[in-house]
Amino acid sequence: GQNIDQPTEMTATEGAIVQINCTYQTSGFNGLFWYQQHAGEAPTFLSYNVLDGLEEKGRFSSFLSRSKGYSYLLLKELQMKDSASYLCAVPGGGNKLTFGTGTQLKVEL
Amino acid sequence: DVKVTQSSRYLVKRTGEKVFLECVQDMDHENMFWYRQDPGLGLRLIYFSYDVKMKEKGDIPEGYSVSREKKERFSLILESASTNQTSMYLCASSLLSRLAVDGELFFGEGSRLTVL
Repeated sequence: GQNIDQPTEMTATEGAIVQINCTYQTSGFNGLFWYQQHAGEAPTFLSYNVLDGLEEKGRFSSFLSRSKGYSYLLLKELQMKDSASYLCAVPGGGNKLTFGTGTQLKVEL
Repeated sequence: DVKVTQSSRYLVKRTGEKVFLECVQDMDHENMFWYRQDPGLGLRLIYFSYDVKMKEKGDIPEGYSVSREKKERFSLILESASTNQTSMYLCASSLLSRLAVDGELFFGEGSRLTVL
């Protein structure tokens, strides 16, 4: 099965950089995903990593270390609109994703 | 744009009632999923389907059933609603061939169910 761990809450300042960590245990690695979910809205896809290293996409980057079972999402130049829950997810069998409980990020002035 | 539409944003039902949650997607996706989302527990998979009339149990199928009679529609059924099924229910869809590639699930807006 899959086991995913992420911090419950984080707070950061507008304009700063924040790193949201995710550790996982899975039988048979097949990639790691990050989703963003604003309060009251549906989750939306942010990134996917299957190889070790950093993938950059604008202000957001995602890092993966398969040997350590570890990923992080890096958000630069934080904006108030980045206040949301960030969900780490790994695939299981049969085209399904298993999600972590999410990290609630609050961006303050 | 991909659109996943859930029939009701908010429902209030009584214990023992039968509840239908409907989900329709307009992008010809093979995969469809039902998740529930609860504080502190995150998104948990109830059932999924990778083709018409096909269904697979997720992590928490007890107390639920599903129906996929048409490719675009995936229904979640609570045969006899209980208070512990009060939750936010999220439907999602994806292309069969792409989930293992980039994992892009497209979610509906969610249906918040309260069982009294």
